[in-house]
Amino acid sequence: DTEVTQTPKHLVMGMTNKKSLKCEQHMGHRAMYWYKQKAKKPPELMFVYSYEKLSINESVPSRFSPECPNSSLLNLHLHALQPEDSALYLCASSQDLNFEGWAEAFFGQGTRLTVV
Amino acid sequence: AQSVTQLDSQVPVFEEAPVELRCNYSSSVSVYLFWYVQYPNQGLQLLLKYLSGSTLVKGINGFEAEFNKSQTSFHLRKPSVHISDTAEYFCAAGFQKLVFGTGTRLLVSP
Repeated sequence: DTEVTQTPKHLVMGMTNKKSLKCEQHMGHRAMYWYKQKAKKPPELMFVYSYEKLSINESVPSRFSPECPNSSLLNLHLHALQPEDSALYLCASSQDLNFEGWAEAFFGQGTRLTVV
Repeated sequence: AQSVTQLDSQVPVFEEAPVELRCNYSSSVSVYLFWYVQYPNQGLQLLLKYLSGSTLVKGINGFEAEFNKSQTSFHLRKPSVHISDTAEYFCAAGFQKLVFGTGTRLLVSP
């Protein structure tokens, strides 16, 4: 199984809503990532977890709150988002953050988020 | 800081023709380079990577790329494309934190 599964595939939320994006992998990977991809733009790294601990936070606004409850799951909690936060949110995982182990990341299909 | 440049936003090509997608990078540290493909409404799939060793890297789906340190390039090539290769291709660089280029849309027509 080389899949990274993201749910939901599509999400529409209001600016006052609280919602969560979920990501799951069963490859035994210990590094997991959230990326944001705006339309016709490249992905931009948001967060990296290594062994369930936050390793990298790319100065993401606090309305995005990541959580890694166990080695297979990664959540992204959303609260008080703005319309400009509408994007494709991609989850990825890799073996770990060490050389070679990091070098092949598997991506999920993404959650397309629309903030209204 | 690393940066990745893909000068061609779109490359149209006929089926069975060869194609080259260009990528240039700038970095003051060791370079690790990648090519990813993204089909519509999909995530990214790793095509190939260069970490060290041979400068000619072979990937999946018949793609290959050559690392050229003097020209700071990592161009992607395929000798004969198929309709199914139509997708967005991203060049990326970095270690632990990937920096992506702006992408090249490969359009293969019959």
